[in-house]
Amino acid sequence: KQEVTQIPAALSVPEGENLVLNCSFTDSAIYNLQWFRQDPGKGLTSLLLIQSSQREQTSGRLNASLDKSSGRSTLYIAASQPGDSATYLCAVISSNSGYALNFGKGTSLLVTP
Amino acid sequence: SQTIHQWPATLVQPVGSPLSLECTVEGTSNPNLYWYRQAAGRGLQLLFYSVGIGQISSEVPQNLSASRPQDRQFILSSKKLLLSDSGFYLCAWSESAPETQYFGPGTRLLVL
Repeated sequence: KQEVTQIPAALSVPEGENLVLNCSFTDSAIYNLQWFRQDPGKGLTSLLLIQSSQREQTSGRLNASLDKSSGRSTLYIAASQPGDSATYLCAVISSNSGYALNFGKGTSLLVTP
Repeated sequence: SQTIHQWPATLVQPVGSPLSLECTVEGTSNPNLYWYRQAAGRGLQLLFYSVGIGQISSEVPQNLSASRPQDRQFILSSKKLLLSDSGFYLCAWSESAPETQYFGPGTRLLVL
């Protein structure tokens, strides 16, 4: 059974810092990996999707990498801003899950002014 | 552009009462549809997914059920709610599998 783990569970940084969020998964037979953002009491916003054949994806200040063989992904946020404060969720689609997302528990990020 | 709607936004129900949550998608046809639940202190968990009208797959045994009466409508139901059914219910869609999933705003359910 696929298990997704995110480290750290919570992170607090001052504004302007670059930061890295980590995600690991136990079964490397994945189709893709998605990073989401969730604001308190809200739904999920898709940030980046990395296909299993890709190594990284970039969108603005966000860069996500994927090392499928080692079961790891990182989300890099450059020049963090208070508006980046949210919970960041990593999820994978595995070949045996009916194409449904298997989520980690998330990293709660606080960027202080 | 595509949009996804969920209602109600918030619901407080007594134990043993029935439940019906609705999700609709606009701007696409024959989407894959998903119901997830986010319980306090736990990660998001897939409950049901559907690849077409009347086609429902369940991932977790429970007292909940799902139906897809129309192409872009997905309904989550229960005949008798349990305290453990409390949580944040999220509906999602994708154009095909396995592609990017887009989530609705969610329904917060509190069972008392």
